[in-house]
Parts: sequence; structure tokens; C-alpha cells
Amino acid sequence: SAVISQKPSRDICQRGTSLTIQCQVDSQVTMMFWYRQQPGQSLTLIATANQGSEATYESGFVIDKFPISRPNLTFSTLTVSNMSPEDSSIYLCSVAAGEESPLHFGNGTRLTVT
Amino acid sequence: QKEVEQNSGPLSVPEGAIASLNCTYSDRGSQSFFWYRQYSGKSPELIMSIYSNGDKEDGRFTAQLNKASQYVSLLIRDSQPSDSATYLCAVYTGGFKTIFGAGTRLFVKA
Repeated sequence: SAVISQKPSRDICQRGTSLTIQCQVDSQVTMMFWYRQQPGQSLTLIATANQGSEATYESGFVIDKFPISRPNLTFSTLTVSNMSPEDSSIYLCSVAAGEESPLHFGNGTRLTVT
Repeated sequence: QKEVEQNSGPLSVPEGAIASLNCTYSDRGSQSFFWYRQYSGKSPELIMSIYSNGDKEDGRFTAQLNKASQYVSLLIRDSQPSDSATYLCAVYTGGFKTIFGAGTRLFVKA
């Protein structure tokens, strides 16, 4: 399976600031996915990052809050904008080899907003 | 709304016993099912994929799928303390979307 590198691995940020999370894959992938895992909760899909087009956001997530870039087939970024303590979560980048294939995850970014 | 349900646990079993983890899903049209293991502070790691009714075995792990009952399970034989983790059931629902259950915490007592 693909090797997925995410950075930063963790950060502590102040309310009102923004953080950009980077995801690098060692092979070309069509679809990249960004998930959020809040403390004690399961994974929630934020958006699907498509190369060459706008990201597709799930209900409850908007581009102004979570802008995503996908400049090529091996890289994506997720920005968490104007952060509040409610944004404290683990953010996970993931990829799949095909449409019904299992997801594989990066190591995640643990974000704490104070 | 499509859902995946799991008992949150914790499920506690003695070392060497069989751990049984269960999952139900709401979308009858789902065709692909996955079990992930997540250690505390780590990202989810794929254990098993299952696509057809019946059992699929991989080492100490057996996944069971019953599409008529919309039920997926994971059996862990000869449980080890290193199996202590949260186990996430995931269902591919189409349109490049995978939905995760809340996870079952498993403790294996030495």
C-alpha cells in the first residue's frame, strides 16, 4: 500500500489562527480524502480532494473553513481556518487504490486549539 | 442517513480467548466492508476487507459478513494483550465515500 506522510504530526494553535496540514503520497493517486476524528469519536469525512478540480465537501463542512489544495497526484493540503477550540481533533489524510478499495491513512495531525 | 453501528465497549477478554466484535449498517446496497485497528494516539490500520457473504480468515482474524442481516463481525482468536485497541468497522457506501462506526474498545487481560 501507499506510504502517506503527513505533517505536522501535532500542533498547538491559538484561537483565530489557521493551520495548513500537508499530505504527501509516494505514488500517484486519483482521490485523496481528509477525515477528522474528534476526541473519543469516530472518523468523519471532511472532503474529497480531486486533482484538477475543486474539492467535494461533506455536509457540515465548508470551503471557507477548510480550504483544500490538490496541485498534483501525490500531494494535498488541508487548512483549518479561523480556529476555535471545537476544531481540536486529529486530522487524517487517506487514499484508496480504487473506488471500492480500503482506505489507507497517514499518521495524522493532532491539533489542539487554545 | 447512512449509518454504521458498533457497541462502544469496552469489551474485555482474557488472554487466549476469542474476542467477537460486531457491526451493523443501514445501507442495504453496500458491497464493501472493512475492519480497522486503531491504537491509542495512532491512525487506523486496515486489518481485513470482506466483500462476499460468509467468512474470510487471515491468521488469527476472521471477518464474517451477512448482507441479508446487514451485519459484519470480526473474530480474534487466541487474543493477545497487543490486540488491545479500538476496532473500527467501515462500510463503503458508493461515490468514493466510506463511513466508519464509532469503534469498539477491546481490552485483552494478561
